[in-house]
Amino acid sequence: EAGVVQSPRYKIIEKKQPVAFWCNPISGHNTLYWYLQNLGQGPELLIRYENEEAVDDSQLPKDRFSAERLKGVDSTLKIQPAELGDSAVYLCASSLGLKGIRETQYFGPGTRLLVL
Amino acid sequence: QKEVEQNSGPLSVPEGAIASLNCTYSDRGSQSFFWYRQYSGKSPELIMSIYSNGDKEDGRFTAQLNKASQYVSLLIRDSQPSDSATYLCAVNLIIQGAQKLVFGQGTRLTINP
Repeated sequence: EAGVVQSPRYKIIEKKQPVAFWCNPISGHNTLYWYLQNLGQGPELLIRYENEEAVDDSQLPKDRFSAERLKGVDSTLKIQPAELGDSAVYLCASSLGLKGIRETQYFGPGTRLLVL
Repeated sequence: QKEVEQNSGPLSVPEGAIASLNCTYSDRGSQSFFWYRQYSGKSPELIMSIYSNGDKEDGRFTAQLNKASQYVSLLIRDSQPSDSATYLCAVNLIIQGAQKLVFGQGTRLTINP
């Protein structure tokens, strides 16, 4: 079974430029998550989708970040404009969406972003 | 107080010894707990989950949960150099009415040959 797929794996951009990350979850997983991971820290949730609905975006900086999950499968996370402090690893995860306590999240390989 | 706390380490353990990793959490109502392993430059990989008080064993790994004391630990027996990684504790918390998986900062473990 294929895992969570993300692209690109690495991205280097200059500040104020836009950037987009793409995620394809595990087949059959209804819930999709975007996390931000800074060096030496654990992942922090940016947004959670249940199917195509964003049900938790309280930690998403909406002035520059946006996300979408059309048709409830693939998702795109965008930053416009990027700032130096956005340099981090952006992780996508997915889960079945059963909403029980045993709900387990599986992570993709991440996109490592460097803003110069 | 952070919602999920871990000692960032580094924790250095000789090969063949037992590595003990600890995690405390703030929400007494939490019901599910996870340990992820993250190699440098890689994504987190689930290695253990635990939901009830007591011990849960899987090969060389044992997760221990004590809800009264609000801590969860991970023991790695017969530590191998390949166990060198950062171990992330994650706890399902209820924040503003919504269930959210919150991660600790991770403990960096080094197994010395």
